Amino acid sequence: GESVGLHLPTLSVQEGDNSIINCAYSNSASDYFIWYKQESGKGPQFIIDIRSNMDKRQGQRVTVLLNKTVKHLSLQIAATQPGDSAVYFCAVGGTSYGKLTFGQGTILTVHP
Amino acid sequence: EAQVTQNPRYLITVTGKKLTVTCSQNMNHEYMSWYRQDPGLGLRQIYYSMNVEVTDKGDVPEGYKVSRKEKRNFPLILESPSPNQTSLYFCASSLRASGNTIYFGEGSWLTVV
Repeated sequence: GESVGLHLPTLSVQEGDNSIINCAYSNSASDYFIWYKQESGKGPQFIIDIRSNMDKRQGQRVTVLLNKTVKHLSLQIAATQPGDSAVYFCAVGGTSYGKLTFGQGTILTVHP
Repeated sequence: EAQVTQNPRYLITVTGKKLTVTCSQNMNHEYMSWYRQDPGLGLRQIYYSMNVEVTDKGDVPEGYKVSRKEKRNFPLILESPSPNQTSLYFCASSLRASGNTIYFGEGSWLTVV
């Protein structure tokens, strides 16, 4: 089966700093990876995704890096803002079409 | 506006009393899914549906049923709820099963006493 883990359950940064959130997965057959942001009282919100044929993908202020060799992905947020404070989840799919496995989440707190 | 709508948003019920949580999306998405979210366990997939009349078990399907009779709706049915089904439930949809943005509903808080 698939298991997904996060290295740190909480991350505190100062406004303007760059943030890095990490995620490890176990199944080398996984081929689709997604990062979500969840604010208090709301459903998860899609941030960025990446397929296994890529090792880097950039969005607006966010970058996802995928290292298939060590089964690890990360989310980098540039110039972190207080509005970025939320729980961030990685999700992994592809081993069984339609199934998506989420990590436990990292709490990001941005201090002004 | 693209939406995934769940009802009810909040419910307290008693053990054994059948309940249904409805989910509707207005984006003509083929793929829909249900998750439960519990402290320390993250989001766990209950059931998913690739299209009308096509459903499959996720990681924690025990105690739940689903149906997909039409594309826009994907209700979650608890035939005989138990206290361990107290959780926050999310419905989600996307155009296809993978490679597309997944939209989540606002969540349904369910308490079984």
